[in-house]
Order: sequence, then structure tokens, then C-alpha cells
Amino acid sequence: ETGVTQTPRHLVMGMTNKKSLKCEQHLGHNAMYWYKQSAKKPLELMFVYSLEERVENNSVPSRFSPECPNSSHLFLHLHTLQPEDSALYLCASSQDPSGGSYNEQFFGPGTRLTVL
Amino acid sequence: AQSVAQPEDQVNVAEGNPLTVKCTYSVSGNPYLFWYVQYPNRGLQFLLKYITGDNLVKGSYGFEAEFNKSQTSFHLKKPSALVSDSALYFCAVRGFDRGSTLGRLYFGRGTQLTVWP
Repeated sequence: ETGVTQTPRHLVMGMTNKKSLKCEQHLGHNAMYWYKQSAKKPLELMFVYSLEERVENNSVPSRFSPECPNSSHLFLHLHTLQPEDSALYLCASSQDPSGGSYNEQFFGPGTRLTVL
Repeated sequence: AQSVAQPEDQVNVAEGNPLTVKCTYSVSGNPYLFWYVQYPNRGLQFLLKYITGDNLVKGSYGFEAEFNKSQTSFHLKKPSALVSDSALYFCAVRGFDRGSTLGRLYFGRGTQLTVWP
């Protein structure tokens, strides 16, 4: 186990549903990330949260909405998704991503999302 | 712009033989390089990283990687492959989006390693 947990592990939802993905890290890190992993594509960084800054990938549609209530928890709220949003959504955490930091990221097991 | 290339989608090797998974990178400034492995239905697991120092980096599960600055490469290697090494391997380089002080990882597309008995 990497110290990063994600729930649920699998999710099937219709295009009109609203659901949330949850991530929790037990490593004392101060940065958390959402990635999208689709078949045959590079990992897509969606959002980054740290104590000082939130970085948002400009290409992420507004139907994905992140929330980071504290440094240990990260949510991804989903609404009116499209079938092409079906993918594995990975959460990761690291210590201090700013400046010259080179700390590795620790990943959760992912949520396999299927949009019907 | 930062980028990582993994030129091989698939690498097949017999158990007991040496394996190499290739990675080349492009980054401004000093490269911070990483290898991750992903087993089926799992997240990515950190294997090793190069920050500075010795060009040969040793990591988990007997893997090592060789940093070559002139060739901008960071190939993953293992002297003797195991069937259990079969997985998806990702190379990554740390870089910065324009105007941001927040470092992020740029991943390659991944290389599927299959070790057959």
C-alpha cells in the first residue's frame, strides 16, 4: 500500500448523475493531484492542490470540479459527464511540489469510472 | 517545453534475460527523472529517481536506470527479468508550466513489459 486510498474503486454512472470521487492520503504530504488515465494516452494531469497554490489544467471541462478541504483529503465532483470521460482516475500526493523540490508522487489505486 | 518519449509501446523478454525500457526527455534546466510501474488495476508505484550524482541509479525490485545527459536518456534496466516484472512502465520528468512555480511531472505514454517464462 502506498498510503493513498481512493473510493470508490469502481463507479458506473449515467450522464445525468452527480457523483464524487474521494482520495485520502496518510503520508503527511502537503500536495495532492488528480490524474486521468485513458487507454493509449499519456497520463493527464487534471488538478493540483498545495498549501499555497491550486493549479488547474485549462483543458479540464467544468463538469469536473475538485475540492480540497484539507491537506489529507481531495475530492473530484462529477456532473453531466460524457461517455468519453470513462477512464481510470488516479489521485496522488507528494511533499512540497514548489520550487526546487523533487519529491516523488505516491499514487492511489484509482477509481475506474464508466459513463453510460 | 517539457516532454518524455518512450519509443516502444511493448517490450517482450524471456525470463532470466536482461531487460531495457527506453526513455528520452526534453526539459529546461536540470532534469529530475523518475520511473514508475503500474500493475493491472493498480495505481502507479515509484521505482527510482535521478536528481544528481551518480549516473546509475538503483531502485526497487532490482531495477536500475542510467542517466545519459548527452543523449538525454534515462533507460530503465534489470540484469535478469522475472515474470512478475510484467507491467506497464512510465518514465517521467519534472518540469514547470509557464508562469508557475509549482513543479509537475510530465509522463511518457508508457511501455508494456511482458516477461515470458
